[in-house]
Amino acid sequence: EDQVTQSPEALRLQEGESSSLNCSYTVSGLRGLFWYRQDPGKGPEFLFTLYSAGEEKEKERLKATLTKKESFLHITAPKPEDSATYLCAVLCRSGTYKYIFGTGTRLKVLA
Amino acid sequence: EAGVAQSPRYKIIEKRQSVAFWCNPISGHATLYWYQQILGQGPKLLIQFQNNGVVDDSQLPKDRFSAERLKGVDSTLKIQPAKLEDSAVYLCASSRFHNEQFFGPGTRLTVL
Repeated sequence: EDQVTQSPEALRLQEGESSSLNCSYTVSGLRGLFWYRQDPGKGPEFLFTLYSAGEEKEKERLKATLTKKESFLHITAPKPEDSATYLCAVLCRSGTYKYIFGTGTRLKVLA
Repeated sequence: EAGVAQSPRYKIIEKRQSVAFWCNPISGHATLYWYQQILGQGPKLLIQFQNNGVVDDSQLPKDRFSAERLKGVDSTLKIQPAKLEDSAVYLCASSRFHNEQFFGPGTRLTVL
């Protein structure tokens, strides 16, 4: 069964304390992996797309990486405004194209 | 470029009542998705349209949920009759082909 698992469920960091969020997946026919940020009361906002193992993408304090079994979202020197839920989703194809979301990591950055 | 629009933003109904949600995707996006997001969980795909045809509705509870996308643009999602466990945020998203999805603000449904 296709599955996406994110860890940890919740993470509290001090401002400036770097860390990584994990997204592991077991799917057939991976076509892409997406990271989204979701603020309370809003819809998810797109951050990155990764297509193949070894690929990396960066945006400000965020860097996403991909291996054959998992993806990491590295947060360098986070600020309080980075506090949000981070979701990963995989696009896989077994017949039709299908997106599967993980349950997210709730990040809280303390000033 | 205007984003994905959804209405209403909030809805409170009694169980066994019916409710409808509306979504207007980004212009030119052929693919439209409806997701259900229960508090503390990731979005769960309910139905996916490609233009005005259904691509995937395998997780749509068809005894109570229905959706349509007329003319390949706007879409409506209906629940009839609603149950307590339908309380959730209903998200609409659109994309070009199978690229990143753009989400609307969602409709928060409370079933009492």
